[in-house]
Amino acid sequence: GAGVSQTPSNKVTEKGKYVELRCDPISGHTALYWYRQSLGQGPEFLIYFQGTGAADDSGLPNDRFFAVRPEGSVSTLKIQRTERGDSAVYLCASSSTYTDTQYFGPGTRLTVL
Amino acid sequence: DAKTTQPTSMDCAEGRAANLPCNHSTISGNEYVYWYRQIHSQGPQYIIHGLKNNETNEMASLIITEDRKSSTLILPHATLRDTAVYYCIASNFGNEKLTFGTGTRLTIIP
Repeated sequence: GAGVSQTPSNKVTEKGKYVELRCDPISGHTALYWYRQSLGQGPEFLIYFQGTGAADDSGLPNDRFFAVRPEGSVSTLKIQRTERGDSAVYLCASSSTYTDTQYFGPGTRLTVL
Repeated sequence: DAKTTQPTSMDCAEGRAANLPCNHSTISGNEYVYWYRQIHSQGPQYIIHGLKNNETNEMASLIITEDRKSSTLILPHATLRDTAVYYCIASNFGNEKLTFGTGTRLTIIP
């Protein structure tokens, strides 16, 4: 079946602009996760959704970052007033209610110039 | 999550068994050991997990020491496609956060 998909695969923007990154989880998966991966580092947790609600957003670095999942399926990560330090690969993962295996998408590479 | 320690890099000859060690000396009784890998430019891929018994699946085997302070991931017959960064994670079952370290960069040599 289809895995986790993320769009766009690459996004180049200018400092100060607003960006949205989209994640389509595996059908039927109720849990959705966002991670950020900087060059040479492992992924870092940002936020976790169970259904429509953000169950844990403790990894969001500041209030420029926001994520939604209005219908409990697709999620959008929103970054306001982007900074060069936001450049990274943003990864999305999903898991079913009854297992904890997280299945990752290919990521969106964000470059802020 | 308990901290894990892994070698920065390892090489293995194609066709041989790749043994990747992980130290998790502060692991708590209800934390599982998870292994993920990340092939270049892809998202992390789940490999295997275990609590205290050794585990095997179609991808790999996981050997956990009796005191649970360390474990070894074994890829029995490494191929070039196994070249990747391998992450060992100690986490509670059902924990929504995976805490990745920097992992082990495994290179399979032809």
